[in-house]
Amino acid sequence: NAGVTQTPKFQVLKTGQSMTLQCAQDMNHEYMSWYRQDPGMGLRLIHYSVGAGITDQGEVPNGYNVSRSTTEDFPLRLLSAAPSQTSVYFCASSPQKPGGWSYNEQFFGPGTRLTVL
Amino acid sequence: ILNVEQSPQSLHVQEGDSTNFTCSFPSSNFYALHWYRWETAKSPEALFVMTLNGDEKKKGRISATLNTKEGYSYLYIKGSQPEDSATYLCAFHGSGNTGKLIFGQGTTLQVKP
Repeated sequence: NAGVTQTPKFQVLKTGQSMTLQCAQDMNHEYMSWYRQDPGMGLRLIHYSVGAGITDQGEVPNGYNVSRSTTEDFPLRLLSAAPSQTSVYFCASSPQKPGGWSYNEQFFGPGTRLTVL
Repeated sequence: ILNVEQSPQSLHVQEGDSTNFTCSFPSSNFYALHWYRWETAKSPEALFVMTLNGDEKKKGRISATLNTKEGYSYLYIKGSQPEDSATYLCAFHGSGNTGKLIFGQGTTLQVKP
């Protein structure tokens, strides 16, 4: 198993550009999420999904869109990049217990370092 | 807004010292408390997922306790080694938030040989 993969590893954008950060997992996990990591702020949840076709907002969703058309993939779209979106982005997945609850550990991808000029 | 606080923010210890740090979280609507270890230039990796008040988990020299009534968890490292140097994150999972984890800012541990 490759686990959770993210592409690209690094990206530089200009203000106003759009792009998609890719995330895929091959563990058949129902739950997937996107976090951003900024100095002194820990990991902040952007969006998450409890299964294909279902997404919801986290703590800091503004400026980002997600979709979940398959169990495996959970792309994060930046609609119009801003310098405030310079960050390291982590995707994570977790198995879902029946009934919609999960207290299983999250498996993190390697991260994407994004700089917006 | 749910607050998850970790203290101290950073810690420097000598090899062989034992150490502990704290994670504080809301005491209501508790579902689970996660601990992750995050080494520089790597991804966070799960250490423990704790769900019951009074839970105590252990993995090698690292252990954790949980008090859901007062809203805190302690992580202990016995006989710290340089390879224990990392940032330790806790994350709160509330019963009202399906799958949503709220992370603390982390405690960064540096173990000097």
